[in-house]
Amino acid sequence: GIQVEQSPPDLILQEGANSTLRCNFSDSVNNLQWFHQNPWGQLINLFYIPSGTKQNGRLSATTVATERYSLLYISSSQTTDSGVYFCAVVKAQGGSEKLVFGKGTKLTVNP
Amino acid sequence: DTEVTQTPKHLVMGMTNKKSLKCEQHMGHRAMYWYKQKAKKPPELMFVYSYEKLSINESVPSRFSPECPNSSLLNLHLHALQPEDSALYLCASSQVRGPNYGYTFGSGTRLTVV
Repeated sequence: GIQVEQSPPDLILQEGANSTLRCNFSDSVNNLQWFHQNPWGQLINLFYIPSGTKQNGRLSATTVATERYSLLYISSSQTTDSGVYFCAVVKAQGGSEKLVFGKGTKLTVNP
Repeated sequence: DTEVTQTPKHLVMGMTNKKSLKCEQHMGHRAMYWYKQKAKKPPELMFVYSYEKLSINESVPSRFSPECPNSSLLNLHLHALQPEDSALYLCASSQVRGPNYGYTFGSGTRLTVV
């Protein structure tokens, strides 16, 4: 099946710092999403980004589908940004589609 | 309404109990999903329903029984679970086709099997 690799696995930042999270995937995909999972388990959709660049406040994402990677940028990080960031790709299977997750990047932002 | 609602939020059950997890969405999505997430791991797909029909079963043990009574509801019936089944169970929904078929997740049911 498709492989989704995220790096780094862990990241510790000081409040106000910037960071880049990377997602590589092994095959062509129908779509890609970035999620933030908060400490209560809620998976919050950040970006739906099969290709190109999107921005939402301090967050932005870029996907280069032809080279099979996506980047999530966090600028001026805040303690509330802490949590696990997942990249997930959509792959068609048997007429349906399945969302496959990477292992995530655990981000800790210290005050 | 852009939410997926899951109930209950927490559940403790014995190995001989029968319980059900419920999931509801009113976004008109025709695909619904159950995921299982163990601590410090990514979510893993269990079942996919497309137009109320089971389309993917990721070799899940029969003690987990999904049901999709209509296009807005998804249930997961639990029977004779094992302690290793303790996990966060996440429901999600999406459009089946279209340019914006991103997945929306519920807040999950945290299940403990004792």
